[in-house]
Amino acid sequence: GQQVMQIPQYQHVQEGEDFTTYCNSSTTLSNIQWYKQRPGGHPVFLIQLVKSGEVKKQKRLTFQFGEAKKNSSLHITATQTTDVGTYFCAGLVLTGGGNKLTFGTGTQLKVEL
Amino acid sequence: KAGVTQTPRYLIKTRGQQVTLSCSPISGHRSVSWYQQTPGQGLQFLFEYFSETQRNKGNFPGRFSGRQFSNSRSEMNVSTLELGDSALYLCASSIAGVYNEQFFGPGTRLTVL
Repeated sequence: GQQVMQIPQYQHVQEGEDFTTYCNSSTTLSNIQWYKQRPGGHPVFLIQLVKSGEVKKQKRLTFQFGEAKKNSSLHITATQTTDVGTYFCAGLVLTGGGNKLTFGTGTQLKVEL
Repeated sequence: KAGVTQTPRYLIKTRGQQVTLSCSPISGHRSVSWYQQTPGQGLQFLFEYFSETQRNKGNFPGRFSGRQFSNSRSEMNVSTLELGDSALYLCASSIAGVYNEQFFGPGTRLTVL
């Protein structure tokens, strides 16, 4: 079945450093969604990418969708303590048996002062 | 607009018992998806309901079932509980399904003793 892997699993950074998490799918995706889950909270939608090679920015966050639509990345510039949490990608595959949204394994980000 | 609500928030059961969890989606959302979140397995898709019909199903045993009512509220049932069913169960609603942004509820923390 479809698998979505994320690396790294954990990342500790000093405040002000950059952070990147990578997402790789075993199959071609129709779209990819990114979510953030704060400690003790629930996943919150960040963004959706649909087109091959698409790049979207939200303030300090930059999201990319690969040309082959099998990988994606999230880059945070100059991390802040408010960025702490686990970042998940979720890949959508459209199939005749139903649309399947598979979440990645997540990258847990810790930011130290 | 009220968010997704889940009840109960916490639940303790013993092996062999059954449990029913409830999810009320955001008003106007017709799709409700259920996920199991554990530290070891991450976020795993259980099933999706749309307009009272199960539209998609993950790879979980038949002990896990669900339904959706005409008002879009959804319930999830787990029968013959096992220790490994201890997890955070999250429901997510969306306007049209997993193709769109998923709005997650706070989750139900189930502990099986």
